[in-house]
Amino acid sequence: GQNIDQPTEMTATEGAIVQINCTYQTSGFNGLFWYQQHAGEAPTFLSYNVLDGLEEKGRFSSFLSRSKGYSYLLLKELQMKDSASYLCAVRRRPGGSYIPTFGRGTSLIVHP
Amino acid sequence: DTGVSQNPRHKITKRGQNVTFRCDPISEHNRLYWYRQTLGQGPEFLTYFQNEAQLEKSRLLSDRFSAERPKGSFSTLEIQRTEQGDSAMYLCASSAGTGGTGELFFGEGSRLTVL
Repeated sequence: GQNIDQPTEMTATEGAIVQINCTYQTSGFNGLFWYQQHAGEAPTFLSYNVLDGLEEKGRFSSFLSRSKGYSYLLLKELQMKDSASYLCAVRRRPGGSYIPTFGRGTSLIVHP
Repeated sequence: DTGVSQNPRHKITKRGQNVTFRCDPISEHNRLYWYRQTLGQGPEFLTYFQNEAQLEKSRLLSDRFSAERPKGSFSTLEIQRTEQGDSAMYLCASSAGTGGTGELFFGEGSRLTVL
């Protein structure tokens, strides 16, 4: 089975930096995704890590340590529109299938 | 191509009725996934297709749930004898089989309310 843990809720101030952590336990690890989901909308892809290290994409960065089963999403220069749920998803490869399993999500509230 | 399309967007039904949802994935994507999401939770995996083959199905899925992808294009998810606990958002996603990161592209979802 799989275990994915992330904080339920975080708050931050506009313009600040926030780090959302995700820890996981899985077999057949085949990559980790971060998705953003605004209330009432579908999740949208933010980042993907399959090797250890940092991936940077504009204001968003994601880090992975496979040996520690740990990832984080870093959001810089926070804007009000960043208020959303952030979902960590671990993909495993049992046999020929590629199945992303999602954590419960971290609700980020950005206030002025 | 306008992305993943799902319909109906909303369905209200009485307990015991059958419902069917349809998903049209991005045309060149051979992988298709169904997830269920309730308020405050992440998407929960239901089933996975590669082309027309259903390769994996969640053990949490009761035999009231069935999914098909007959020609490897659109997919349907049917829930028989609905229960109030089936009320949720049903999300369909597709991804490319080769190249890239294989990220999922989600549809807007089909919201089911069972009275």
